[in-house]
Amino acid sequence: QVQLQESGPGLVKPSETLSLTCTVSGGSISSYYWSWIRQPAGKGLEWIGRIYTSGSTNYNPSLKSRVTMSVDTSKNQFSLKLSSVTAADTAVYYCARVAFGFFYFDYWGQGTLVTVSS
Amino acid sequence: QPVLTQPPSASASLGASVTLTCTLSSGYSNYKVDWYQQRPGKGPRFVMRVGTGGIVGSKGDGIPDRFSVLGSGLNRYLTIKNIQEEDESDYHCGADHGSGSFWVFGGGTKLTVL
Repeated sequence: QVQLQESGPGLVKPSETLSLTCTVSGGSISSYYWSWIRQPAGKGLEWIGRIYTSGSTNYNPSLKSRVTMSVDTSKNQFSLKLSSVTAADTAVYYCARVAFGFFYFDYWGQGTLVTVSS
Repeated sequence: QPVLTQPPSASASLGASVTLTCTLSSGYSNYKVDWYQQRPGKGPRFVMRVGTGGIVGSKGDGIPDRFSVLGSGLNRYLTIKNIQEEDESDYHCGADHGSGSFWVFGGGTKLTVL
């Protein structure tokens, strides 16, 4: 059974960079698309971006200027960096796998809360 | 890209049925929509995909037969029959735009089991 686990600081100061890592276990990270999705408290889901194991990326245009994703196949991990954060970036951040051959998210992490505050 | 609209809340009594609606914005009637269940404090879980012809592909792992979908025009429906306490969740609809290069989600519907 594939499992995803987000990790990273739970508190980030305004204007700094948010950094999260998703560790994949129970399966290989190779040959899949992987995504980051976030959810502010009491609100809906917002797709941040996706990365393929080759390193190719697509980002949400509303966040594109601040987002960088990377993948480390040797560690079965992929990562998110979001720069110049503000309070509006406070949310639960999820990592998820895109189902092979389809475009839905078949496995999700449990999520990690990131709060932007001084 | 499409906009997905969901009512913020719904409720149903234990053992009853409920239908949740996700409405696509005009011009996107051919889009498929994915339903996700999110129990309190948990990550979302894929339920199934729906197009105008009904379910597309298979249900997510462990999704009971009580869950079904239909699609008509701009609306995509998720029906839950014989509602159980464990069905009390937030239900999100989502759609990919551009062969997976961009995704959008609705605002989610909070289902309360009475």
